[in-house]
Amino acid sequence: AQSVSQHNHHVILSEAASLELGCNYSYGGTVNLFWYVQYPGQHLQLLLKYFSGDPLVKGIKGFEAEFIKSKFSFNLRKPSVQWSDTAEYFCAVNANNNNDMRFGAGTRLTVKP
Amino acid sequence: DAGVTQSPTHLIKTRGQHVTLRCSPISGHKSVSWYQQVLGQGPQFIFQYYEKEERGRGNFPDRFSARQFPNYSSELNVNALLLGDSALYLCASSFRDRGTGELFFGEGSRLTVL
Repeated sequence: AQSVSQHNHHVILSEAASLELGCNYSYGGTVNLFWYVQYPGQHLQLLLKYFSGDPLVKGIKGFEAEFIKSKFSFNLRKPSVQWSDTAEYFCAVNANNNNDMRFGAGTRLTVKP
Repeated sequence: DAGVTQSPTHLIKTRGQHVTLRCSPISGHKSVSWYQQVLGQGPQFIFQYYEKEERGRGNFPDRFSARQFPNYSSELNVNALLLGDSALYLCASSFRDRGTGELFFGEGSRLTVL
């Protein structure tokens, strides 16, 4: 079964700093990859997703992620974070034709104004 | 448009009791999944239902069960509650059955077992 590792538990940045959150997964087959975000007091919502095609995917609010198949990675990036990006970020993976979506443990991002 | 709705939002039970959590998916979504999120961890897959049939089951004991109704709403039942069942229980709906469907999450039901 697939599993997901997020390397950073808590990241603290100042506004305008660049962000990169790591995500690695273990599964040898075809996968679908997701980043979900949970803002304080809100429910989980989709930030971006990769199914196939261009490995660089763009999501909402200026976020992007790059799928590197050889490294089993799907890192999340944003060139310049804002205070409103303070949230918890979850990487998730499921295999094609599989109903079991696996989430990483999450990375808490705190952006200082 | 209404999102995924879950009830109750908070509840407190004692060990050995039983709990039923409810979920209404987004209109038009036929798939409902249940996840358990323990503090400090990511959501863990419990069940997925599509068109009232169980399509997936995570690594949870038989004390956990679920069902989906003809209107696509769903219930998660947990029997013989243990302290370790304390968690946020998330329901997610999607349009598709498998793999590529984006999940839309509710706000969760926070269960505390004393």
